[in-house]
Amino acid sequence: SQTIHQWPATLVQPVGSPLSLECTVEGTSNPNLYWYRQAAGRGLQLLFYSVGIGQISSEVPQNLSASRPQDRQFILSSKKLLLSDSGFYLCAWSVLGAATNQPQHFGDGTRLSIL
Amino acid sequence: AQKVTQAQTEISVVEKEDVTLDCVYETRDTTYYLFWYKQPPSGELVFLIRRNSFDEQNEISGRYSWNFQKSTSSFNFTITASQVVDSAVYFCALSGNNAGNMLTFGGGTRLMVKP
Repeated sequence: SQTIHQWPATLVQPVGSPLSLECTVEGTSNPNLYWYRQAAGRGLQLLFYSVGIGQISSEVPQNLSASRPQDRQFILSSKKLLLSDSGFYLCAWSVLGAATNQPQHFGDGTRLSIL
Repeated sequence: AQKVTQAQTEISVVEKEDVTLDCVYETRDTTYYLFWYKQPPSGELVFLIRRNSFDEQNEISGRYSWNFQKSTSSFNFTITASQVVDSAVYFCALSGNNAGNMLTFGGGTRLMVKP
């Protein structure tokens, strides 16, 4: 069966520091991968998605970036965090291909607090 | 452009009551898929159901049921005999014709079930 792992679970970082959140998927090949952010008490905002290695699409311009160095690895990064980057970050995967619009499956999330 | 509206931001019920969570969507795609996810206090999103636009049959799974009405662009979710463990934020989402299998989420409805 497929599993998705995200780490760390919680993170406290000072303003201006770098960020690296990692997500890996097991049990499937060529998944679509996604990064979402959820501000406190709010809905989900899609940040990035990827349909293959090295292919990243950005949905919202910001100081975050994403990379997909391997088929089942998706990394969210920042060179300098802002206070507004605080939130709950969720990674998700789905089966490649839009023909049947398969559901996305989510990791446990990373709670990021910027001080 | 696609849009999902969950007009109820918070609902509070007493255990064993039935509760319906509303979802209204907008899309120009003729083929699309609708989803419901549950986000318990622990944070991860749990996939509940996927429904395609050609299948208007209602679905029942245990205490959960879903009513898809294409004529009113609604996909409502009913929990029968609610339990405290049903307390969570519930998200409705829509996916149309897009290469990345992306979802448009509603703002979520926070359900509180009191004992």
